[in-house]
Formats: sequence, C-alpha cells, structure tokens
Amino acid sequence: DIQMTQSPSTLSASVGDRVTITCRASQSISTWLAWYQQKPGKAPKLLIYKASNLENEFPSRFSGSGSGTEFTLTISSLQPDDFATYYCQQYDSYSPTFGGGTKVEIK
Amino acid sequence: QLQLQESGPGQVKPSETLSLTCTVSGGSISSSSYYWGWIRQPPGKGLEWIGSIYYSGNTYYNPSLKSRVTISVDTSKNQISLKLNSVTAADTAVYYCARSPLVVIAAFYPDHWGQGTLVTVSS
Repeated sequence: DIQMTQSPSTLSASVGDRVTITCRASQSISTWLAWYQQKPGKAPKLLIYKASNLENEFPSRFSGSGSGTEFTLTISSLQPDDFATYYCQQYDSYSPTFGGGTKVEIK
Repeated sequence: QLQLQESGPGQVKPSETLSLTCTVSGGSISSSSYYWGWIRQPPGKGLEWIGSIYYSGNTYYNPSLKSRVTISVDTSKNQISLKLNSVTAADTAVYYCARSPLVVIAAFYPDHWGQGTLVTVSS
C-alpha cells in the first residue's frame, strides 16, 4: 500500500492567517491526489482533485499543488467556515489510501 | 441532485456479518462514468477505503479487508451493497457510500458521499 503522511496533525490558526498543510506519499503518485474537508458529524467533501483542481463549491482561497511524493493544501486567508479537518488521499494505485488528517482549530 | 443513502442495522454482534445497502437517487448507478464504493471512519479516527465497484460488477477491495468483504451492485434497484464477515469491535465505524468519477481503471476519489451510518459491533 502507498502510505500517506500528513503534517501537522493539528494546526491552530486565526481568521485571516495563511495556512499550509503538507501531504507526503511513500512513493510517487504523479498528481493522483485529492483533498477533502470534513466538519464534525458530516461526510467529507471533495475539495481538490488531481492535486490542484478546485471543486466548484469551494472558493479560490483554497489551492493545491505538488506532484510525485510531496503535496500542499493552502488556504490563503483562513475564514470561520474553514475550521475543519482536512484529509489527503492518493488514487494512483488499485488501493486508495488516506492521510491521517489535519485538524484546523481556532487559535 | 445526486443523493446516496446508506441503510442497515446500527448494531451487529461480534463474529456476525455486517450488511449495508446504499440507494442512489438523482442519477443512474449504471452510468459508465463512475465507480461506486464504501469508505469507513472509526469514531474519532481517519478514513479507510473498503472497496469499489463498477456497474458491470468489477470490484476492487482493500487488501487488508479483502478476505472478509463483498461489494455487489443491483442496477435494477440503483443500489450497491456491502457485506463484511466475521466482524469485531475494530469494525465499529461510520460507513459511507460514495461515488467516484472514472478517470483511470480502479482510481477512486469520491466526489459525492452519503451522510454515513454508524455501525457498532457489540454483543
């Protein structure tokens, strides 16, 4: 299985902060990477696919980048609605795997 | 508007079989453009892909669960089903049904999710 490692596991930030979450794959996955946002008690929502393609529902303050084994999710100016847990997921292999998640908390 | 709805028992006894159904509305499970599958999340923990299926019946399973899992599709009812045998407390989780665009064979990244259903394994 391809292992996905996210960092940090928890992030405390203030409204307006620039936030960056990192996801590393144990082997190259090209750009077959997705990011999800999950709020408590809710199903995850697809945020970004193929490393950098933003889903229509989400505002442009979210962006994704990277290829190979290292990827980042950036929120340019954190808003109150963005406090949530974020997961990366690789879909390069026949066995997709998720990162452990990054919880973005209010500082 | 596409909706996925999971249904099934909320509690299963250890060593028994967990059975869930996902009913799709607002779209056809027979579309050639999508995979359908199951993902689970133990309370307070992360996400784990269980397996996926194409409308033709082709299946892909998580290697760690493969010996215990069966996913099937019923195109006449617009449903997919999950069976997980020989459950233990470690199988307690919220189980999500999900749809993924078909980009390459077996690649699964859900763009639509059901609301999820909590299944507790307990005697």
